[in-house]
Amino acid sequence: DTEVTQTPKHLVMGMTNKKSLKCEQHMGHRAMYWYKQKAKKPPELMFVYSYEKLSINESVPSRFSPECPNSSLLNLHLHALQPEDSALYLCASSPTARVTEAFFGQGTRLTVV
Amino acid sequence: AQSVTQPDIHITVSEGASLELRCNYSYGATPYLFWYVQSPGQGLQLLLKYFSGDTLVQGIKGFEAEFKRSQSSFNLRKPSVHWSDAAEYFCAVGAYAGGTSYGKLTFGQGTILTVHP
Repeated sequence: DTEVTQTPKHLVMGMTNKKSLKCEQHMGHRAMYWYKQKAKKPPELMFVYSYEKLSINESVPSRFSPECPNSSLLNLHLHALQPEDSALYLCASSPTARVTEAFFGQGTRLTVV
Repeated sequence: AQSVTQPDIHITVSEGASLELRCNYSYGATPYLFWYVQSPGQGLQLLLKYFSGDTLVQGIKGFEAEFKRSQSSFNLRKPSVHWSDAAEYFCAVGAYAGGTSYGKLTFGQGTILTVHP
């Protein structure tokens, strides 16, 4: 099983809403990532979790709050987002957080209205 | 800091023709290089990777890439393109983030491939 599963696939939320994105992998990987991809742009790293600990935060605004409940799950909690936060949010995992190949999920298309 | 340049924003080829997508990187140490493919609205699929060793690497779907250190390039090739290859292709370099031992991928801007029948 080489899948990274993200839910939901699409999400529309208002600027005052609270929502969460979910990511799951069962490959035994110990590193998980959140990337943000704006339209017609490459993915940009947001967060890195290694062994369930937040290891890198790429200066992401606090309205994005990551959580790693266990080695298979990664959540991204969203609160008070802005329309410019609308993007494709991609989750990825890799065997370790050292430089190695990352396996990506299908993404959550987020629209903030 | 590492960077990746994909000089071609959009490439159009005919089905059955050969393909080469260009990628140039900038990194002070031995690079870890990747090619990913993304269909519209979808996630990224890893095509191939280079860490060390043989500079010609084989990937999935009939793709290959050649690492040329002297040219700081990692170009992706396919001898005969199929209509299903139409997608966006991203070259990426892996490096350790800001003095840490945690890796991050830095992507190029992507090349959109259109395949004509």
